[in-house]
Amino acid sequence: SQKIEQNSEALNIQEGKTATLTCNYTNYSPAYLQWYRQDPGRGPVFLLLIRENEKEKRKERLKVTFDTTLKQSLFHITASQPADSATYLCAPRGVSSGSARQLTFGSGTQLTVLP
Amino acid sequence: DTGVSQDPRHKITKRGQNVTFRCDPISEHNRLYWYRQTLGQGPEFLTYFQNEAQLEKSRLLSDRFSAERPKGSFSTLEIQRTEQGDSAMYLCASSLAGGNEQYFGPGTRLTVT
Repeated sequence: SQKIEQNSEALNIQEGKTATLTCNYTNYSPAYLQWYRQDPGRGPVFLLLIRENEKEKRKERLKVTFDTTLKQSLFHITASQPADSATYLCAPRGVSSGSARQLTFGSGTQLTVLP
Repeated sequence: DTGVSQDPRHKITKRGQNVTFRCDPISEHNRLYWYRQTLGQGPEFLTYFQNEAQLEKSRLLSDRFSAERPKGSFSTLEIQRTEQGDSAMYLCASSLAGGNEQYFGPGTRLTVT
């Protein structure tokens, strides 16, 4: 069955450092992969989408990579700030989804940036 | 229109009661989704509408759950005979046709006692 795994432990880093979050998937051939941010008590907010033919995507301090051979996406936040503290969710969408439009999410990685 | 809205934000109910939640999507979005999220997990898909047609339902959606989108605008999710296992955050999202990005509402937190 399809499986999505994100960093199993919460991630604490010092302000100013680069945070790297991992998303691994199995039994999947995603056409693209999305990353969302979720703050406590709120709905997820879209951050970035990367397609299978793209190796890397950037947006301001965010960078996403997508390695279809390793079946892995890495999400980087450079020059991290306490305001970046949140849970980050990855959502690969497979070509085998057919007509389905829903997202399938990993369980998320809780990031805390310490001042 | 400032985004997806959901009502109520919190609902406490006794086991066996029926509850109904409402979602108002972004006005020009014709796709609407319902997800359920429990603590420490990512959102899990429940059902999806394109306009007023319900096109996809998850196996998670037991026959106690029903969703409607009668005029292709707002949607309701009803849970009949609630069980303690139904306690969760219920999230609604919307998107444009052909769009990959989904816009989520703030969710309705359901507690079944």
